Amino acid sequence: DVKVTQSSRYLVKRTGEKVFLECVQDMDHENMFWYRQDPGLGLRLIYFSYDVKMKEKGDIPEGYSVSREKKERFSLILESASTNQTSMYLCASTSGQPNQPQHFGDGTRLSIL
Amino acid sequence: AQTVTQSQPEMSVQEAETVTLSCTYDTSESDYYLFWYKQPPSRQMILVIRQEAYKQQNATENRFSVNFQKAAKSFSLKISDSQLGDAAMYFCAYRSSNNAGNMLTFGGGTRLMVKP
Repeated sequence: DVKVTQSSRYLVKRTGEKVFLECVQDMDHENMFWYRQDPGLGLRLIYFSYDVKMKEKGDIPEGYSVSREKKERFSLILESASTNQTSMYLCASTSGQPNQPQHFGDGTRLSIL
Repeated sequence: AQTVTQSQPEMSVQEAETVTLSCTYDTSESDYYLFWYKQPPSRQMILVIRQEAYKQQNATENRFSVNFQKAAKSFSLKISDSQLGDAAMYFCAYRSSNNAGNMLTFGGGTRLMVKP
């Protein structure tokens, strides 16, 4: 089974802090994703990566950056956290095959005070 | 850009009954993939069922089946013999066949409650 592991289930940070959310997958997947989940809005793509050191902006990249130094790890960075970034963050990965689903981590509930 | 709409924020069903969750999407493409994902209260999103647009036959996975109407751009999920464990958020998602990064566009979700 594919395992996607997010480093924290719950995280509380303060406004202005630099926040790192880590995600690791164990299936050698090329593609990795960071989503933000808010009630009524579903999942919105923040950034994705299709290879090591490669990244593409999703629908809502403002205020976020990402890093993919190794194939199995994809990090989401909030450079200067703000209260409107309080949300659930989901990481996912998938292979390059077109009909393959994305596999998700458990999510990180991030609160910015 | 593609959009996915789930018009039912919440649904409820009696245990053992059948429920249908709606999903519509907007696209100008002819080849694409559609997915239903389930997110139980434990929060890990898991795949329920997938459909390739070029296949006319509706996908089925045990108690889960879809009604794919390509011309109407509709992709509903039917859950038969509902069980308490089916209670979850359900998300419909679209993926273009031209999408090199395998990106998904998600609907807003439907919360399904199952009554004992």
